[in-house]
Amino acid sequence: KAGVTQTPRYLIKTRGQQVTLSCSPISGHRSVSWYQQTPGQGLQFLFEYFSETQRNKGNFPGRFSGRQFSNSRSEMNVSTLELGDSALYLCASSFPGNNYGYTFGSGTRLTVV
Amino acid sequence: QKEVEQDPGPLSVPEGAIVSLNCTYSNSAFQYFMWYRQYSRKGPELLMYTYSSGNKEDGRFTAQVDKSSKYISLFIRDSQPSDSATYLCAMTLYNQGGKLIFGQGTELSVKP
Repeated sequence: KAGVTQTPRYLIKTRGQQVTLSCSPISGHRSVSWYQQTPGQGLQFLFEYFSETQRNKGNFPGRFSGRQFSNSRSEMNVSTLELGDSALYLCASSFPGNNYGYTFGSGTRLTVV
Repeated sequence: QKEVEQDPGPLSVPEGAIVSLNCTYSNSAFQYFMWYRQYSRKGPELLMYTYSSGNKEDGRFTAQVDKSSKYISLFIRDSQPSDSATYLCAMTLYNQGGKLIFGQGTELSVKP
C-alpha cells in the first residue's frame, strides 16, 4: 500500500521567489493537512483540506496558501519567500472524520537562500 | 506559553531501560491524544492514540492520559537502540482531527 507521497524531497529557492509543493495522499484518504517543522518552533499546523475545501487554517501569513484537487491531491504554495520559511514541510492524510491516525509523508525540505 | 509543553531532552538511556516521556497541556478541550515517533529525515509515524484518561498498552509501549492534571505520558519498556528517535506528543479537539497540536519533541538515544 503506497504511503503519502510528497514531491520534491529537497528544494533550494532564493528569497523573494515562490514555491509549490505537492502531496499525494494514500488512496481513499480525502482529508489532507499540511505542517511546517523547524528546530525552533517544532511542528506547526498550516491548513487542512477536505473535498477541495479548506476546513481549518493555522496562524500563518497569507503568503502560505494551499488547494486540493478532485482526486484529493493537494498543493501548497509559498509566495515571496523569506529566509525564515526554510523548514521541513509535511503533509498528512486520513479518512474524513478520523480524529487520529493521520499518516505523514517524508516531507519536502525547503531551503531559502 | 505554548498549548502543549514537552520535556525537550535530549534523553540518553542504556539498552533495556524504561523510558518515560511526558507532555502537559493547557487547553482542557483537547480530547484526542497521540504519540508519534520521527526518525531522522522521515515524517512522524503514529505510535499510539487514545481519547480517555487511563492507560493503553501496545507491546512495549504504554500511553497514559490524566485529563484532570492535563498530563500525558509514554512509557517504553525494554528500550532498544532502534527506539532512538524523536518522540512527539500531539493532541486535537473534537472533530478537528486534521489540526494536530504538537509538543516540541524529545530526542531519545538508546545506547547498546
